[in-house]
Amino acid sequence: AQSVTQPDIHITVSEGASLELRCNYSYGATPYLFWYVQSPGQGLQLLLKYFSGDTLVQGIKGFEAEFKRSQSSFNLRKPSVHWSDAAEYFCAVRNNFGNEKLTFGTGTRLTIIP
Amino acid sequence: DTEVTQTPKHLVMGMTNKKSLKCEQHMGHRAMYWYKQKAKKPPELMFVYSYEKLSINESVPSRFSPECPNSSLLNLHLHALQPEDSALYLCASSQDSRASRNSPLHFGNGTRLTVT
Repeated sequence: AQSVTQPDIHITVSEGASLELRCNYSYGATPYLFWYVQSPGQGLQLLLKYFSGDTLVQGIKGFEAEFKRSQSSFNLRKPSVHWSDAAEYFCAVRNNFGNEKLTFGTGTRLTIIP
Repeated sequence: DTEVTQTPKHLVMGMTNKKSLKCEQHMGHRAMYWYKQKAKKPPELMFVYSYEKLSINESVPSRFSPECPNSSLLNLHLHALQPEDSALYLCASSQDSRASRNSPLHFGNGTRLTVT
C-alpha cells in the first residue's frame, strides 16, 4: 500500500529565509505526488503536482518541489518565505493504477517569525 | 475563491438530529469525494463517487450516508451522530477518478460540524 511520511511536524522560519519541507513516499512504481496547503479553517489548495517528466516542478505562490526517485522523496521548497505562507502543508500520493485513493501525510505546520 | 462550494460552513447538531451537508461543483468533474478531518490531523477519505456511482466506502459507519444526485452535487446525510464525529468535513472533486489519475483534487472550504 502507498504511504507518505512528513518527518517534520512543525517548522519555524524567519520571514525572507528559505524553506524546505520534507516528504518521503513508499510505493512500488512512480506515484502521482501532490503538495497541498491549508490555512486555518480553510480547505486544501493545490500547490503543485508531479506525475512524470521534469523532476523539478514549479507551483503557485513561488513554491517548487523536486522528485528524487533514488531517495523516494518529493521535498517542497521556497527561496524566500512570506508571512502569508504560515499554514499547514500536506504531501499526498496517489497510485497510478487501481483505486482512486489519495493518501495524505501527517502534515507540517509552518510558522513564520518576523 | 474555491470552485467547490460547501454548505453550511458551520453546523451544530444534537445526537438525535438528522442533517445534511451539501457540496456543489461546476467544473465538469466526474469524481467527487468526502473527507473527514480532525484537528491537527490530515484529511481521511470517507467516500468516493465516480460518475455518480459510489466507488469507495472506507468502512464508514452507517450513520453517515452519502448521496450523489447528479454529477455536480454531493450530499452527506447525517443521523444519530456521536460527539467524536465532530470534525471538519471536506468535499473535493476531480476530473475523473480513474482515467486521469494525475488530475488533482479540488477541495471546498469544508463544513465545521459539532455534535453535542
